[in-house]
Amino acid sequence: DTAVSQTPKYLVTQMGNDKSIKCEQNLGHDTMYWYKQDSKKFLKIMFSYNNKELIINETVPNRFSPKSPDKAHLNLHINSLELGDSAVYFCASSLWGLAGGTQYFGPGTRLLVL
Amino acid sequence: ELKVEQNPLFLSMQEGKNYTIYCNYSTTSDRLYWYRQDPGKSLESLFVLLSNGAVKQEGRLMASLDTKARLSTLHITAAVHDLSATYFCAVLIRGAGNMLTFGGGTRLMVKP
Repeated sequence: DTAVSQTPKYLVTQMGNDKSIKCEQNLGHDTMYWYKQDSKKFLKIMFSYNNKELIINETVPNRFSPKSPDKAHLNLHINSLELGDSAVYFCASSLWGLAGGTQYFGPGTRLLVL
Repeated sequence: ELKVEQNPLFLSMQEGKNYTIYCNYSTTSDRLYWYRQDPGKSLESLFVLLSNGAVKQEGRLMASLDTKARLSTLHITAAVHDLSATYFCAVLIRGAGNMLTFGGGTRLMVKP
């Protein structure tokens, strides 16, 4: 199926650990994103990645780093996890220049930091 | 800084009734999107609105955009239980990484 996929679906870890979340899209899109959804369901953009150009939301701590091996993948690495990092992380993708440019979202990764 | 506000944040309604969700945004935008999210699920794209006066309809949902007022509405006609979900509007400003700024979401519960 064509889609945006994420792994793992659930991630439970201890404070201070380092973890990664993987994202892959097979929609042929050239731009990928990471969003964070907190416990109140508020969604906030973290990163946008297009043709190796990374645009960072300035409010994101530098413990978060996206890594893109190619256009179809955008992974999120988190260092020194904190309790406040507990949230659902969504990956999304779109075509940069396309009129409309709808972003398609992955299923989410539910991160719980203990 | 772009701000996107939705209201109401919570809406409980009876089946068969009509209602409107409002989305206000603070700066000129290129595009406005509506998404649906079921509990524990991902976001599903409903509509993209590109220009002033744009109106799109799908089933019992109709979205409109007034760029001069910086206002979009999502109108629900004759609600049914299956429409129960959280609805988000999101605004895109090109040149800023195509990043979406989301409203706070409207949690809709349609009671049988």
